[in-house]
Amino acid sequence: NAGVMQNPRHLVRRRGQEARLRCSPMKGHSHVYWYRQLPEEGLKFMVYLQKENIIDESGMPKERFSAEFPKEGPSILRIQQVVRGDSAAYFCASSPETGRNTGELFFGEGSRLTVL
Amino acid sequence: DAKTTQPTSMDCAEGRAANLPCNHSTISGNEYVYWYRQIHSQGPQYIIHGLKNNETNEMASLIITEDRKSSTLILPHATLRDTAVYYCIVRPLYGNKLVFGAGTILRVKS
Repeated sequence: NAGVMQNPRHLVRRRGQEARLRCSPMKGHSHVYWYRQLPEEGLKFMVYLQKENIIDESGMPKERFSAEFPKEGPSILRIQQVVRGDSAAYFCASSPETGRNTGELFFGEGSRLTVL
Repeated sequence: DAKTTQPTSMDCAEGRAANLPCNHSTISGNEYVYWYRQIHSQGPQYIIHGLKNNETNEMASLIITEDRKSSTLILPHATLRDTAVYYCIVRPLYGNKLVFGAGTILRVKS
């Protein structure tokens, strides 16, 4: 049973370009969470999605950032017009349906974005 | 979600028990205590969680005080690979996110 898969693991972009980070949750999981970790800082919640729905986006920057979790395919975190301050590790986590949820989130190994 | 307070860092000798404390004095009745760790920039890893009874699994034990205002994570025989940042988090069982604080940097030394 594969874990949470994130790709790319490393991404380099120039200022002004777009970054797309993908997350495939564990099999059977319908909830996805995105977190950001700036260098030498803690993990910050960004957004929580279920299939085709954004449930909580209280941690998402108001501009340039968007997330989706379509009916088919991985969840996508999209960053438009990247700036150097977007350089960070972006972690995705998944969990099963609430009814069978132990409260445990399963994290991927992260995608490391570097903006030149 | 209730706030937690943890020491910034701790050292532990290899092979000895590591006892990591956490204060959560404002915890409410429906909130669980969760522990996660992050080993050097890897994805966070779930360790254990509990409501009011002590819990044990293959990784660790969780001791929660009777008033639930604090807890201790115990790694019974720490190894060098247990060096990590340990996060204590409280949230409802079906809460929609984990809110990570600064955690405790545990350094296991030989």
